[in-house]
Amino acid sequence: GAVVSQHPSWVICKSGTSVKIECRSLDFQATTMFWYRQFPKQSLMLMATSNEGSKATYEQGVEKDKFLINHASLTLSTLTVTSAHPEDSSFYICSASETVGNTIYFGEGSWLTVV
Amino acid sequence: SQQGEEDPQALSIQEGENATMNCSYKTSINNLQWYRQNSGRGLVHLILIRSNEREKHSGRLRVTLDTSKKSSSLLITASRAADTASYFCASSSGTYKYIFGTGTRLKVLA
Repeated sequence: GAVVSQHPSWVICKSGTSVKIECRSLDFQATTMFWYRQFPKQSLMLMATSNEGSKATYEQGVEKDKFLINHASLTLSTLTVTSAHPEDSSFYICSASETVGNTIYFGEGSWLTVV
Repeated sequence: SQQGEEDPQALSIQEGENATMNCSYKTSINNLQWYRQNSGRGLVHLILIRSNEREKHSGRLRVTLDTSKKSSSLLITASRAADTASYFCASSSGTYKYIFGTGTRLKVLA
């Protein structure tokens, strides 16, 4: 089946630095990808919709200047957490679908720890 | 909250028993999908059921959908220890955007 790859799997960074997480669709093209955040033992909260070739659409309450999303190609979206703070520590997951209404595939997620 | 509700929040059963999880959503949907998540990992797709379908099967999994009640259920038959995970439903009104349920943490005891 379709595969979505996410990198890195885990990252530790210092407060104030920026960290980039990549999401790739390996065997299909995805004009739209999604970024979620998940706190321990909680559900997934949609952060933003990443649109290839245009600006991302952010959910209410998500700081667009803090969570920069770039969807430079049909197979790659990146999430950059800027000026990271310990409260940004979380599990970040991306997803993609080849067409609307079909199966959504998820990456393996990225653990971010800000120290 | 945009999230759908799932119940129970946690479920503990013996190996071989059946596990049933329920999901309710708030708006009309085009399709609903169920996912499994092992601790600290990404989500694995289980089943997609469309709004014009009432029931779907996949191996030991059975999913039902009742659009009049805005609810869906996931049944895992003859559960195994390896089924221990969190299970989420995700609903869509026909766009790429999916709203996730709160999840059910299933523990299957060997």
